[in-house]
Amino acid sequence: AQSVTQLDSQVPVFEEAPVELRCNYSSSVSVYLFWYVQYPNQGLQLLLKYLSGSTLVKGINGFEAEFNKSQTSFHLRKPSVHISDTAEYFCAVSGPETSYDKVIFGPGTSLSVIP
Amino acid sequence: DARVTQTPRHKVTEMGQEVTMRCQPILGHNTVFWYRQTMMQGLELLAYFRNRAPLDDSGMPKDRFSAEMPDATLATLKIQPSEPRDSAVYFCASGLVASGNYGYTFGSGTRLTVV
Repeated sequence: AQSVTQLDSQVPVFEEAPVELRCNYSSSVSVYLFWYVQYPNQGLQLLLKYLSGSTLVKGINGFEAEFNKSQTSFHLRKPSVHISDTAEYFCAVSGPETSYDKVIFGPGTSLSVIP
Repeated sequence: DARVTQTPRHKVTEMGQEVTMRCQPILGHNTVFWYRQTMMQGLELLAYFRNRAPLDDSGMPKDRFSAEMPDATLATLKIQPSEPRDSAVYFCASGLVASGNYGYTFGSGTRLTVV
């Protein structure tokens, strides 16, 4: 079964600084990978997804992620963060065992942007 | 923008009472998920449906939880009897999986408090 590890539970970063949120998955087969964002008291919103093709995926709000099969990683990056990026970020994976339907979420990383 | 609608947004109930949470998926979406979010366990998949048929409810406590889709515009999650440990935020999500457009739209959640 797939699983997702998000190495950092909390990441503080100054406004306009770059940020990287780390995600590793455990699977030996082809998987789909996702990043979701959750703002306070809201549901999750899809930031970006990797299904196949180019390993560099661009998403909304200036975020991008790079799929690295050899390292089983899918780290999320943004070159310059804003106060409004303060939120919880979830990495997620789905795989062929369940026809890619079931999305398993990591524990989340809380990003705090400091003015 | 199309959205997944969940009702109620908040529910406080006494232990032992029945709780029903409702979800209106996005029109045309064929897959509906129920997730539960807690601080301790994170996001847990409870059950999901494809074309209104239940595909997997292995994440759901069978003795007290039930999930149904009486029609394409309504999904319900019931807890009977409710217990304090059921206190959590329950999210519904929907997607059109057949198109290959994996990545689901989440509702704003129902925050359940069982006292």
